[in-house]
Amino acid sequence: NAGVTQTPKFQVLKTGQSMTLQCAQDMNHNSMYWYRQDPGMGLRLIYYSASEGTTDKGEVPNGYNVSRLNKREFSLRLESAAPSQTSVYFCASRIDQPQHFGDGTRLSIL
Amino acid sequence: QKEVEQNSGPLSVPEGAIASLNCTYSDRGSQSFFWYRQYSGKSPELIMFIYSNGDKEDGRFTAQLNKASQYVSLLIRDSQPSDSATYLCAVNMFGSGGSNYKLTFGKGTLLTVNP
Repeated sequence: NAGVTQTPKFQVLKTGQSMTLQCAQDMNHNSMYWYRQDPGMGLRLIYYSASEGTTDKGEVPNGYNVSRLNKREFSLRLESAAPSQTSVYFCASRIDQPQHFGDGTRLSIL
Repeated sequence: QKEVEQNSGPLSVPEGAIASLNCTYSDRGSQSFFWYRQYSGKSPELIMFIYSNGDKEDGRFTAQLNKASQYVSLLIRDSQPSDSATYLCAVNMFGSGGSNYKLTFGKGTLLTVNP
């Protein structure tokens, strides 16, 4: 998935800590997305950005904030991490169809 | 709430057989449908997608849409052990509260191809 790059790949946090997950795409895509994936729950949309300068809530936005820094970058911030936010986080982007995914960030909150 | 439903499986087929994966969707106005494959510990990768105007065949894979019954299927011919993975169905839903920009994913079906 050379087109969508996520950092970090792994992270362990303590409850209450904050952190920002980074996502960058080099495909000149307009739309970018953040998902979380939990066992048995499939992919759930947290936030998305249809185009540079816009962001919208998805299915599970509580506890998260996002920033569309420019056309390439879309970051996801956890202000006060909770154990319920332990998950695998995927960033995706698209210009038309379909969505292309990054390799994911595996986040554990103790 | 707009939904996409898949049988979680596992679906087990012998090598060389046809694997048939299905999903149903709730929004009758949906216009594009996607199948992603996800190996354990990896990110989803697109297999194929179709629009509401027709089916598609690509190598061993065929995606079919039944609009009247609101389900989409993925057929994998000559299944190989390397096809063993979780298959995610996703639908681009429109309608009230919907958006052209969002996909709704099913929870995925685990496929196991036995040598």
